[in-house]
Amino acid sequence: KAGVTQTPRYLIKTRGQQVTLSCSPISGHRSVSWYQQTPGQGLQFLFEYFSETQRNKGNFPGRFSGRQFSNSRSEMNVSTLELGDSALYLCASSLAGKITDTQYFGPGTRLTVL
Amino acid sequence: AQKITQTQPGMFVQEKEAVTLDCTYDTSDQSYGLFWYKQPSSGEMIFLIYQGSYDEQNATEGRYSLNFQKARKSANLVISASQLGDSAMYFCAMRGSTLGRLYFGRGTQLTVWP
Repeated sequence: KAGVTQTPRYLIKTRGQQVTLSCSPISGHRSVSWYQQTPGQGLQFLFEYFSETQRNKGNFPGRFSGRQFSNSRSEMNVSTLELGDSALYLCASSLAGKITDTQYFGPGTRLTVL
Repeated sequence: AQKITQTQPGMFVQEKEAVTLDCTYDTSDQSYGLFWYKQPSSGEMIFLIYQGSYDEQNATEGRYSLNFQKARKSANLVISASQLGDSAMYFCAMRGSTLGRLYFGRGTQLTVWP
């Protein structure tokens, strides 16, 4: 079974631009979660989608948004990029996001904002 | 809310020796899951082991075992017979009533030396 894939793997953007990151979950997984990882803040939860609906959201500004498609693939968008948005963005999928469901992570997208 | 504490920023172990990575958690949920992940320098989060709050036996997966002490709210990871390839950052995480969301500790950087 193919793992979680994320594209692109690396991105360089400038302040004020917007960016879209893509995540394809493991086949059969309907829950997709996004995390931001920085050296200073560690791993922070952005949001989680299940069956095309945002089910949970972390404490991030509205510039961060996402969506999920009927095939469970997910995208996240960051508008008006700031220097502090430079981070590793990790996508994870699980069957349904339940307590016992293991989240499997993709390789991440490393975003650099100049 | 859930909180994960990993008090060891860095650990060193000689090859073939066993090592214990500490993790304590705080939650008001009765039902929860505990996870350990490994993150090599490449960035991808690799799932290692899972323990459910109602599991009576400690989880084991190959060289990994979880020392689960529910009353103390601790879930320490034990790696037996360390290998050079075990050098990585290790994260403890938990999921409770918030579906699809994992709460992570700050991680422990493990270095295995020959």
